[in-house]
Amino acid sequence: GAGVSQSPSNKVTEKGKDVELRCDPISGHTALYWYRQSLGQGLEFLIYFQGNSAPDKSGLPSDRFSAERTGGSVSTLTIQRTQQEDSAVYLCASSSHLEQFFGPGTRLTVL
Amino acid sequence: AQSVTQPDIHITVSEGASLELRCNYSYGATPYLFWYVQSPGQGLQLLLKYFSGDTLVQGIKGFEAEFKRSQSSFNLRKPSVHWSDAAEYFCAVGPLNTGNQFYFGTGTSLTVIP
Repeated sequence: GAGVSQSPSNKVTEKGKDVELRCDPISGHTALYWYRQSLGQGLEFLIYFQGNSAPDKSGLPSDRFSAERTGGSVSTLTIQRTQQEDSAVYLCASSSHLEQFFGPGTRLTVL
Repeated sequence: AQSVTQPDIHITVSEGASLELRCNYSYGATPYLFWYVQSPGQGLQLLLKYFSGDTLVQGIKGFEAEFKRSQSSFNLRKPSVHWSDAAEYFCAVGPLNTGNQFYFGTGTSLTVIP
């Protein structure tokens, strides 16, 4: 089925390197969310895109984190100069009528 | 501040037994309420949602939840648990009129024993 897809599924990187995580939302969904899920924690909101409106970046933990959404579809979350505390599962969700559909996530490990 | 509390970090039940997972929220008005399930290595799947109306909502996989305004609760229930229900369960509220965010609880891990 045409669900939310994320790539890569796993990413191992060295401290200080930049990483890019990709999200392909469900076609036609105008809303897109990024979350971070750390071990034993709930989902931490990172950023929200809605159509052509300015994104809600209020959840980004530092200026090393950024995201963009091209053409109202694919989104990329970029983490610059990764730190060990960035290790987590990064989840993307697209939304229709307040219901979020989640991708399988990208597990990021920073060594 | 808005928040969601799932007081039970881990619950173990026997297969066939009933289940109740607790969720409490903190918000000044009636929020939109959700329960999600996350199986190992999978994304979150919506079990059920409450927006308004009947306070007892039915979801997929035989789950139901009841919204109790007086207790600010939205507990998830299932009358008879199956081994395949073993997973992590998350309660969520939102989006709220203060922004676009959904707030998630820290999750309850369910183990089902034969």
